[in-house]
Amino acid sequence: DAGVIQSPRHEVTEMGQEVTLRCKPISGHNSLFWYRQTMMRGLELLIYFNNNVPIDDSGMPEDRFSAKMPNASFSTLKIQPSEPRDSAVYFCASSSRLLTEAFFGQGTRLTVV
Amino acid sequence: ELKVEQNPLFLSMQEGKNYTIYCNYSTTSDRLYWYRQDPGKSLESLFVLLSNGAVKQEGRLMASLDTKARLSTLHITAAVHDLSATYFCAVDTHYNTDKLIFGTGTRLQVFP
Repeated sequence: DAGVIQSPRHEVTEMGQEVTLRCKPISGHNSLFWYRQTMMRGLELLIYFNNNVPIDDSGMPEDRFSAKMPNASFSTLKIQPSEPRDSAVYFCASSSRLLTEAFFGQGTRLTVV
Repeated sequence: ELKVEQNPLFLSMQEGKNYTIYCNYSTTSDRLYWYRQDPGKSLESLFVLLSNGAVKQEGRLMASLDTKARLSTLHITAAVHDLSATYFCAVDTHYNTDKLIFGTGTRLQVFP
């Protein structure tokens, strides 16, 4: 398996633009997590899905952020409109109850100018 | 709200020395994970601890879990430069909502 795949790896956008980050979890994993990592706030859990259903989105910073998981092999995190303070590395991770640990993608480094 | 705290936040140590990183968490859980992150890279799983008293060892790293004290430790033996990285612990709150919450991270630098 290729592991968790995220795209794009890097994104530079202007303030006010819409940004969509994509994630393909490991096949067979039924939990998917979106994290944001910054120097100031560390690793923050934004939202997680179980069996494609959003279970807890209390970490989503505001209404500008939204996430979807239309099927077991794909998830998106959208920011609209983007702001400079959204600049961070966004990680997607997936896990299976059988395996227990979460495996991380390579991350998307987002820069909003 | 679950809180996961690590200490120290920064650790600079000489090669050959031993040290321990501590991870405290605030709610009941019997699943704890340790991850390693190199600069600019993703997170790599090191250890999975699934019960009270669990101990795992890999090379110069050994992790343990005390669920009664809500404490996990990551012990480094005879540190080498290749261990320089940031180490995170994470707690699975499956008793409640199945979240995976990470600690603040410990940035380790090993120098000659």
